[in-house]
Amino acid sequence: ETGVTQTPRHLVMGMTNKKSLKCEQHLGHNAMYWYKQSAKKPLELMFVYNFKEQTENNSVPSRFSPECPNSSHLFLHLHTLQPEDSALYLCASSQVSFARRANYGYTFGSGTRLTVV
Amino acid sequence: AQKVTQAQTEISVVEKEDVTLDCVYETRDTTYYLFWYKQPPSGELVFLIRRNSFDEQNEISGRYSWNFQKSTSSFNFTITASQVVDSAVYFCALSEAPTGANSKLTFGKGITLSVRP
Repeated sequence: ETGVTQTPRHLVMGMTNKKSLKCEQHLGHNAMYWYKQSAKKPLELMFVYNFKEQTENNSVPSRFSPECPNSSHLFLHLHTLQPEDSALYLCASSQVSFARRANYGYTFGSGTRLTVV
Repeated sequence: AQKVTQAQTEISVVEKEDVTLDCVYETRDTTYYLFWYKQPPSGELVFLIRRNSFDEQNEISGRYSWNFQKSTSSFNFTITASQVVDSAVYFCALSEAPTGANSKLTFGKGITLSVRP
C-alpha cells in the first residue's frame, strides 16, 4: 500500500453510463492529481488540485469532471465517454510548499483500468 | 515550459548485464526536482528516487545508481547486474519548483526494459 487508494481497480462502462472514480490519500498531502495513461502513450496530466482548489485543467474534455471535496479525497466523474477514453487512470498526491518552492515527492495509487464499450 | 525526453523506447538485456536508462530534461527554472519511477506490469507507479536541482551528488541504492549532470541536463539511471524482476517501464519525470498554484509533474514517454533469463 502506497498510502493512495484508488477504487475501483477495474471498470467497464458503456458510452451512455455515468460512473465515478475515487481516490483517497492518507498521507496528509496538500495536492492531488489525475493522470491518464493510454496504451503506448505517455502519462498525461489531466487535473491538479492544490489545497482543494483546481489549479490545472489540461484541456480535458468536459465528459471528465473532477471533484475535490477535501484534501484527502479526489473524484473523477465520467459521463458519455468514448472508446478512446479507455485507459489507466492514475491518482497521485504530493506535499508542496509554495513558500519554500519545495516539492517533497509524488505518491501514486494503483490506478483504475477503464474500458469503455 | 518543462519537458522530459527519454530517447530509448525499448531495451532488452540478458540477466546480470548492466543497463543505463537515459533521461534529458528541459526547464527554465533554477529550482526543480527530478524523479524516476518504475511501472511493473501490474500498473502502479513505484517511486525510485527524487533529486533536487541543488544536489548534484550521484546516488547509489543497492544495484541502482543515478548520475545527475546539470551541465548536460541529464539524469541517467543505471541498473547493475540486472535481474528479471527489473523488467518494467521506467519513467523519468520533472517538476519545477511550485510557484503560485502550480505543482505539476511532467513525465517522459518511458523506457520498456526487458531482462531475459
